[in-house]
Formats: sequence, structure tokens, C-alpha cells
Amino acid sequence: NAGVTQTPKFQVLKTGQSMTLQCAQDMNHNSMYWYRQDPGMGLRLIYYSASEGTTDKGEVPNGYNVSRLNKREFSLRLESAAPSQTSVYFCASSTSTGDQPQHFGDGTRLSIL
Amino acid sequence: QKEVEQNSGPLSVPEGAIASLNCTYSDRGSQSFFWYRQYSGKSPELIMSIYSNGDKEDGRFTAQLNKASQYVSLLIRDSQPSDSATYLCATLIYNFNKFYFGSGTKLNVKP
Repeated sequence: NAGVTQTPKFQVLKTGQSMTLQCAQDMNHNSMYWYRQDPGMGLRLIYYSASEGTTDKGEVPNGYNVSRLNKREFSLRLESAAPSQTSVYFCASSTSTGDQPQHFGDGTRLSIL
Repeated sequence: QKEVEQNSGPLSVPEGAIASLNCTYSDRGSQSFFWYRQYSGKSPELIMSIYSNGDKEDGRFTAQLNKASQYVSLLIRDSQPSDSATYLCATLIYNFNKFYFGSGTKLNVKP
């Protein structure tokens, strides 16, 4: 019962470094999402993928890129990390039909120095 | 105006009391409604879903939906210190696969 798996769980980067956050789900969900959560800000949608082969910008896409590698995997890339990207990142997935909720991974805690 | 509004709290209740958490939403196209619980340092965990007007009960939790008033609430009966967490309200417009989350209400249950 893995659900949504995110790697890594923690990461510290220096300003300007790049990295990719990985997300995989085993629930056969069509839709996948990336959020960031900052204190007092709630969840903010970065990018989402309604189905394999499609991606769309969310509320705060600047500084990020995504890849929907296949139905299971959705990665988030920071090309040149900035201190403002210090946050907790959550990946989520859902079915794209019907009325089912999102299911979240455990999160990646990212610090940019 | 945010799509989903919640009072940030904190809401403090004594152990054994009823905690009432409220949420309003702006899009009348919202069709499904969810409550998530998030412990500090953890990810959101789904605790209730509600799709039609009225009440839905699951153990100590009751979700209430009033689409005419665009209002969703979560009642927690016999509150326990382990219920202390942030509660996120979410709505879904599933024709467009659009989820909206509130910023959450922090609940403190005092022993």
C-alpha cells in the first residue's frame, strides 16, 4: 500500500544548484499534482498533469519545470534554486473522473541556502 | 477572494468538547467537498468526503454541507488531544478536475 511516494524526504541545496524531486503513485491515477506549502500560506499548486502526456501551470509555476514521465511518475525540477523556494513540497494524485479526492505523498522538505 | 475560505484559528477546545470547523467556498460549480487533517510536519490525510446537502457521519466526525449557503463544516465530537492538528477544507469541480484548498484551521484540544 505505497500510495504516493516522494523522494527525497529532505534536501539542502545552495543557491543556483539544480535538483529534481521525484514522485510516483501506484493507484493507477490519471492526475498528478505538485504543491508547495509555506507557513501560513496553505497549499499552493505549482503544476499539475491531468493525464499522461499533459502538464499545466498552477498558481506558482515560476522557477519550476515538470515532467510526466509515464502514468505513474511526475517529477518537479528546480533549474536554479533560490532561497524563496525553501518550502515543503507535496505531490498528490487523483482519478480524473468522478468525485474522488487527492491523495498526498509524505512530502519533501527543501532548504535553499 | 479565495476560492475556499477558512478561519486560520487557532481554535481551542477542552478535551471531550465538540470542535466545530467551518469553511465557505465561492464557486457554485463545486461538486465534491473534502476535509483533510494535517499534523505538524506531516502530509494532509483525508478524513471525510461529502457530496450532497446534509450531514455525513463517520465515527466522531460529522461533515455538513449546505450548497445554497456555500458552506461546509466539520464537527468533531468528544475531542481528544490527538485531534490537535490543522484541518484543511477542499472542494472539487470535477468536470474540470479543479481542486481548491483552504489555508486550514488549526485546532488545539486541551487536556
